[in-house]
Amino acid sequence: GQSLEQPSEVTAVEGAIVQINCTYQTSGFYGLSWYQQHDGGAPTFLSYNALDGLEETGRFSSFLSRSDSYGYLLLQELQMKDSASYFCAVQFGNEKLTFGTGTRLTIIP
Amino acid sequence: DGGITQSPKYLFRKEGQNVTLSCEQNLNHDAMYWYRQDPGQGLRLIYYSQIVNDFQKGDIAEGYSVSREKKESFPLTVTSAQKNPTAFYLCASRRRSEDTEAFFGQGTRLTVV
Repeated sequence: GQSLEQPSEVTAVEGAIVQINCTYQTSGFYGLSWYQQHDGGAPTFLSYNALDGLEETGRFSSFLSRSDSYGYLLLQELQMKDSASYFCAVQFGNEKLTFGTGTRLTIIP
Repeated sequence: DGGITQSPKYLFRKEGQNVTLSCEQNLNHDAMYWYRQDPGQGLRLIYYSQIVNDFQKGDIAEGYSVSREKKESFPLTVTSAQKNPTAFYLCASRRRSEDTEAFFGQGTRLTVV
């Protein structure tokens, strides 16, 4: 089957850098995406990696390595508003979009 | 403004009753999705549709049904066969392409008593 595993919880200090990992056991997908969800809210898109390597979007960067079945989201200059849940997701050619288990990020002062 | 709308935001039903959750989008997206989210959990795919009059089962389709009679609408019915229906339900849509993002509605919190 298709599974994307993430750490359930991560805690980091305001102003610091944090990495959220996503390991997967699936193949044949187009790309890896990352979404942010605040409590009670809707997930919102952060980034997309179609190719191996690093994609940078402001304070957020995302990385994909298909050979290692691994990706990560890197958040820099952490702010209190970054406290949220983060999900990786893979998109398949038949439009199926599968999400990971999710990581709850807590930022402390 | 374009977007995706789910209604109602909160829904209460008695056990054994079917209930239909609404999802409407005016983004002209072909692909639409339904996910279930339990407290502290990830998003699990129930059903998805690539195009009008076509839909596929996701990972947890048992006890649910959908229809896609119009491009804009993708309603989800939670049937009495769903053993644990209390959850947060999220609808999403996206343009059919390799690199497009999914847009989510604000969700419907269903409580079955």
